[in-house]
Amino acid sequence: SAVISQKPSRDICQRGTSLTIQCQVDSQVTMMFWYRQQPGQSLTLIATANQGSEATYESGFVIDKFPISRPNLTFSTLTVSNMSPEDSSIYLCSAHGTEWNEQFFGPGTRLTVL
Amino acid sequence: GQNIDQPTEMTATEGAIVQINCTYQTSGFNGLFWYQQHAGEAPTFLSYNVLDGLEEKGRFSSFLSRSKGYSYLLLKELQMKDSASYLCAVIDSNYQLIWGAGTKLIIKP
Repeated sequence: SAVISQKPSRDICQRGTSLTIQCQVDSQVTMMFWYRQQPGQSLTLIATANQGSEATYESGFVIDKFPISRPNLTFSTLTVSNMSPEDSSIYLCSAHGTEWNEQFFGPGTRLTVL
Repeated sequence: GQNIDQPTEMTATEGAIVQINCTYQTSGFNGLFWYQQHAGEAPTFLSYNVLDGLEEKGRFSSFLSRSKGYSYLLLKELQMKDSASYLCAVIDSNYQLIWGAGTKLIIKP
């Protein structure tokens, strides 16, 4: 199984600023994903991070607001730009290997925007 | 549209058995996951079913019926640490993960 780490684990930010979240996997994975989870809600997929090309965004999420990088098969970043209190959430990095039955999550980044 | 239904909340007694149901309507099917998520933590993988039938893993078992669009997670010999949310997720024909809203399980002594 893969182990995923995220930095920072939590942050409190001011409105209008940006925060970059890092996700590191301890082995090469095929797919990396970024999710958002509002309190008491299920997971919402933001985008699929593609290695060597632009991320694929889900409906309601755009690159200008959530730029994503994936420079290699083990690392990705998500930036939450021009933050507002509505962006307060837990952001989760997820990855799976060659088989879909291997799906792993990072510990999450708890973001609070004031 | 695509839809996954689970009960919002369930309560059970320590030592007992509980079954959490999940029904789905998705465009295609390539497997179903169950995850456990404790408050404030990331989801952890419990099971993956792609064929019909029951898969047992210790105290936890997961069942799938593709023809009925139905799965359940069975937890036996409940322990207080099993208090958590249980998320059902389906992989559709485009290999997108569709998530249920989760079932909050409360275990009472």
